[in-house]
Formats: sequence, structure tokens, C-alpha cells
Amino acid sequence: DIQMTQSPSTLSASVGDRVTITCRASQRINHWMAWYQQKPGKAPELLIYEVSNLASGVPSRFSGRGSGTEFTLTISGLQPDDFATYYCQQYNSYSRLFGQGTKLEIK
Amino acid sequence: QVQLQQSGPGLVKPSQTLSLTCAISGDSVSSNIATWNWIRQSPSRGLEWLGRTYYRSKWYYEYAVSVRGRVTINPDTSKNHFSLQLKSVTAEDTAVYYCARIGRAVSGTGAFDLWGLGTVVTVSS
Repeated sequence: DIQMTQSPSTLSASVGDRVTITCRASQRINHWMAWYQQKPGKAPELLIYEVSNLASGVPSRFSGRGSGTEFTLTISGLQPDDFATYYCQQYNSYSRLFGQGTKLEIK
Repeated sequence: QVQLQQSGPGLVKPSQTLSLTCAISGDSVSSNIATWNWIRQSPSRGLEWLGRTYYRSKWYYEYAVSVRGRVTINPDTSKNHFSLQLKSVTAEDTAVYYCARIGRAVSGTGAFDLWGLGTVVTVSS
């Protein structure tokens, strides 16, 4: 089975900072990687799909990249609304696995 | 605007069956492009995909290994909704349950582009 390891689990940053979250898969997952943002008491919202494609309405300060087994989500110029928990998610024929989450906190 | 409206009880007794419904507005459960999913979230298990149903000239069903044998997802075309049934529940099944869609814009990518608001389900006597 594929294992997903997301890091860091917690990240402290300030408004205006650039931050990067990493997701590593235990085997190659091609380009089937998505990223979500979740705020307390709310459902996750899709940010990025297929590694680097922005979902509808998502600001351009969010970007994704990666290939093979290592993928990243970068937020350039943090805004107050960005402090939330972020999850990666992989997809293949057999499973749809989420990472454990990264909580982005205000420093 | 497409929306998913969840309904169902928030408390289920151990060994009984958890039943939830997701009503679709602005899209069709019989869509030849979308797939209709159930996902749950708990502190111990994180976000966990449970299964999906979709229509491509006939109905298809896929379930996660972790719940296979206990889970059923059914579409209802007359009501334009789909349901989740999870049998023989235990405290481990306590979670927030979400319905979610993989729609046209992300078709084939496995990304969930629309989510319901979530239903908190507690398994307790």
C-alpha cells in the first residue's frame, strides 16, 4: 500500500511570508496529487489538482509542484485568511489517500 | 450553483447501521462525468475515503479496503441523491462524514472539487 508522509505537521509563519509544505509518497504516484485547505468546523476545500493546476477561484499565491514521490505546496505572501490546515491527497486505481495535515499558525 | 446537502442522525448505537444521505442540487447523480463519494474525518484516522458511485452507461461502485464488507453507497435517481450505509458500527466509526464530488473540471484527476458541510456522527450507547 502507498503511504503518504506530510511535513511539517505544524508550521509557524507571519503575514507576507513564503511557506512550503511537503508530501512524500512511498512509491511513484505520477501526477495524481491534490492539495486542500481546511478551516476549523468546515469541510476541506480544493486548492490544487494534478500537482500544479489551481482550482477555480484559488488565488495565484498558491502553487504546487513535484513529481514521482515528492510534492510541494507553496504559499507566496501569506495572507491572514491562509492560516488553516492543509492536506495533500494522492489518487490511483486502488486508493485515495490523504496526508496527515499541516497546521499553519500565525507566528 | 452546485451544492451537496447532507442529512442523517448524529448518534448511532454500537452494532447498528449508520445511514446518511447527500442531496445534490445543480448537478445530477446520473451524470456521465461526475463521481459521488463519501469521506470521513476523525482525530485518530485523519481523512479517510470510504467509497464512491458513478454512472457510465451503468452504475459502478468502489469501496475502500478498510470498510469493504460493511459499507454500501447507493444512488437514488428519483431524488437525485446518494446514500451511505455503514453496518456494525463501533466507536472507531465516530467521525465527521462528508459527501464529495469529483466533477467535470477535475474529472479523471481524483481530486474532490465539491464537499458537503459534514455530519458529526457519534457511535455510543
